[in-house]
Amino acid sequence: QSVLTQPPSASGTPGQRVSISCSGNESNIGDNTVNWYQHLPGMAPRLLVFKYNDRPSGVPDRFSGSKSGTSASLAINGLQAEDEADYYCASWDDSLKGVVFGGGTKLTV
Amino acid sequence: VKLVESGGGVVQPGRSLTLSCEGSGFNFNQYGMHWVRQAPGRGLEWVAIISYHGNNKYYADSVRGRFTISRDNSKNTLYLHLDNLKPEDTGVFHCARDGTDFWADYYNPHYGTDVWGPGTTVIVSS
Repeated sequence: QSVLTQPPSASGTPGQRVSISCSGNESNIGDNTVNWYQHLPGMAPRLLVFKYNDRPSGVPDRFSGSKSGTSASLAINGLQAEDEADYYCASWDDSLKGVVFGGGTKLTV
Repeated sequence: VKLVESGGGVVQPGRSLTLSCEGSGFNFNQYGMHWVRQAPGRGLEWVAIISYHGNNKYYADSVRGRFTISRDNSKNTLYLHLDNLKPEDTGVFHCARDGTDFWADYYNPHYGTDVWGPGTTVIVSS
């Protein structure tokens, strides 16, 4: 059972906009920033969004993050076939003094 | 900028193993470092973090008391010593760089992990 809650799956067609939710509590999302990762099988995870809505160099602006209270969302605009992957949210947890991940959302395009 | 893990393998339950992660292309001694694992068919699970100077370490509840994170900045290397291994420890272990330089302790902000190694596989089986 993951500390952060994500839907297990999401889907969309090319060109569509998809949103993935992530729910936590006051000690993690409520008090800290949310980071989002993309993970393709057999590869290293890739940081997509960090801090409030920053993207590392090379991540297209089709990916954006938002947060409200103890929940967060990752939005992907203009969905592409290459976006098919697992997506994870993560945040620091002040009570646990560590990073907590969501269970992951498998995106099908 | 690169991280490469090594040291994985097949080990019997109750035995020990030490994983290594060598960093290159950046000032290794200026970054906090993490271990993150993924069991077969499961999601990512954070394991541990160590501050840039090595003085502060924090662990997931599932591994506290059995795993030990450490680093040797003179060798640009991060370690994870795994004791009393259990079958449920089977998985791919990734090392990752904290996204903020000079992460020193829990009160410093954490803005993700921006560099990851490809991982090393640990299989715990009799």
